[in-house]
Amino acid sequence: DVKVTQSSRYLVKRTGEKVFLECVQDMDHENMFWYRQDPGLGLRLIYFSYDVKMKEKGDIPEGYSVSREKKERFSLILESASTNQTSMYLCASSLRGIAKNIQYFGAGTRLSVL
Amino acid sequence: AQSVTQPDIHITVSEGASLELRCNYSYGATPYLFWYVQSPGQGLQLLLKYFSGDTLVQGIKGFEAEFKRSQSSFNLRKPSVHWSDAAEYFCAVGAGSTSGTYKYIFGTGTRLKVLA
Repeated sequence: DVKVTQSSRYLVKRTGEKVFLECVQDMDHENMFWYRQDPGLGLRLIYFSYDVKMKEKGDIPEGYSVSREKKERFSLILESASTNQTSMYLCASSLRGIAKNIQYFGAGTRLSVL
Repeated sequence: AQSVTQPDIHITVSEGASLELRCNYSYGATPYLFWYVQSPGQGLQLLLKYFSGDTLVQGIKGFEAEFKRSQSSFNLRKPSVHWSDAAEYFCAVGAGSTSGTYKYIFGTGTRLKVLA
């Protein structure tokens, strides 16, 4: 089974802190994704990566950056956390290609910024 | 622009009753469509997918969905709901990107409550 692991289930941070959310997948997937999930808004794509050191902005990239130095690991960075970034963050991974484009999700990190 | 609409935010059904969750999409080409389920405190699990071929697709946990191109719909159904089906359900369409990577566009979700 594909396993996508997010390093923390819950995080509490202060406004202005630099925050790192980590995601690791064990199936050699080329693509990795970061979403945020908010009630009534569903899942919105922040950033994704299609190869090591390669990234593309999603629908809501403002206030976030990402890093992918190794194929299995994809980090989401909040340079200066703000209260409006309090949310559930979900990581996903998939193989490259249309027919194999099933995304596998981690359990999520619930971030509270105080 | 591509989009997915799930018109029902909340649905409540009695255990043993049938279920239909609605999903409408907007996409110019042949869509790749997905239904995911999220149990409380969990990530998303794939229920079923449609890529091509038979428009009625079967998934896990007794769910099925029917692709209707003329109505731009991909509704999820289950003939008899179990209490363990209480969860949030997301419909998604696969869409292209600048890099050629296929990403998902999700609907806003439907939260299902099951009465005993």
